[in-house]
Order: sequence, then structure tokens, then C-alpha cells
Amino acid sequence: GDSVTQMEGPVTLSEEAFLTINCTYTATGYPSLFWYVQYPGEGLQLLLKATKADDKGSNKGFEATYRKETTSFHLEKGSVQVSDSAVYFCALIYNQGGKLIFGQGTELSVKP
Amino acid sequence: GAVVSQHPSRVICKSGTSVKIECRSLDFQATTMFWYRQFPKQSLMLMATSNEGSKATYEQGVEKDKFLINHASLTLSTLTVTSAHPEDSSFYICSARAEGLGGTGELFFGEGSRLTVL
Repeated sequence: GDSVTQMEGPVTLSEEAFLTINCTYTATGYPSLFWYVQYPGEGLQLLLKATKADDKGSNKGFEATYRKETTSFHLEKGSVQVSDSAVYFCALIYNQGGKLIFGQGTELSVKP
Repeated sequence: GAVVSQHPSRVICKSGTSVKIECRSLDFQATTMFWYRQFPKQSLMLMATSNEGSKATYEQGVEKDKFLINHASLTLSTLTVTSAHPEDSSFYICSARAEGLGGTGELFFGEGSRLTVL
């Protein structure tokens, strides 16, 4: 079945370090891909998305490129801040009426 | 942006009692809402799809008689955990799709409700 796999956390970085959180997916078609962020004690917020191959989603300094050839959607940020500490979820959906399938989440902790 | 509100944000109840969690779309209509359950340090597990005016569609392995879902209006869905037990303790999150006139079809998530059953 369809699935999303993320790198295991927690990931601990120093402020201004470069961030990569790997995400790969398994799907029979061409899904839309998302990154959601969950800050402590809160619900999920959409961080960025890409709906077709080679699209790049970006927001708040975060970027991810939809790579069909490697079935990946890795999240990157050039310089993380303490306020980026959260759990990040990669997800896929086939169409707007479908269901989101989430990865297991990756906890990021940024130290000053 | 669109807002989805859940209430209560935290609830503690005794084993055997029932608890109702509300999910409201505050500034858009939502024909479809989704209920998720999140265990500590784990991902979100889709429990059911709530459809306005019709019965919810439950995912495999989710007890529909235990987790009652009602979607009586275009802005409100409720999840009732009946005869709650400690193993039902979890973080429950709803999401709503912005549909209708001007809706983008995007999913918006509530802030979650933490249930603790003693």
C-alpha cells in the first residue's frame, strides 16, 4: 500500500546549522506531497507542498523538491533557528478528496 | 487563514465515562472532516472520515461503536469516545477541508484535544 517513510529522530542541531529531513514515499500513482509542522502542544500546520514532479515547495526558509525518480521529498533549511524546534511530518495525498497518509514524524531540536 | 478549532483542548475523565470532542471550522464550510489519533512520539493515525449529513467512514480496525462521530452541520463534527478506558488516552486531532464557494480544498487542522482516562 501507499506509505511515507521519514528519517528517524530526534534530530538535534545548533542554531544556524543546515537541516535536512529525508522523506521517501511509496505510491502507485502521482500524489501531492506535503510537509506539516507540529509545535509543542499544538495541532498541525501546513508548511509547504508540491503537487507534481520537479515542483519545489517553499515557506519560511524551508524547501522541498518533488523528485519522482527517487520518490523523495526531502525537507531542507539553510539556517535553522531555535523557533524551528518542532515535529515535522511528511505526507502524501492523491487528490483533494483523498486521505492524507503521514510519515512517522521527525522531531527537530535546535539549540542556541 | 482558515481556522479549525477543537474543544476541549484537554480533558481528564474516569474510566467508563464518555467524552465528547468538538471540531469546528470557524470561517469556512467543511463537507468533509477527518479525525486522527496520535500516540506519543508517533504519527497520526486516521480514524475516520466524517461526512456532513451522512454516516462516518471508519478506517479498518477502528471501533465505530466506541468512537461515535457526528457531522450535523457544515461547520461542526463531534467525536464521542464512549465508555473510555485508559488505553483510549491519546491526542485526538481533527482536520477540515475548505470547500464550497471560495474554498481551496486545502486541509486545515485543529489544535488537538488531549484525552487522559484515569
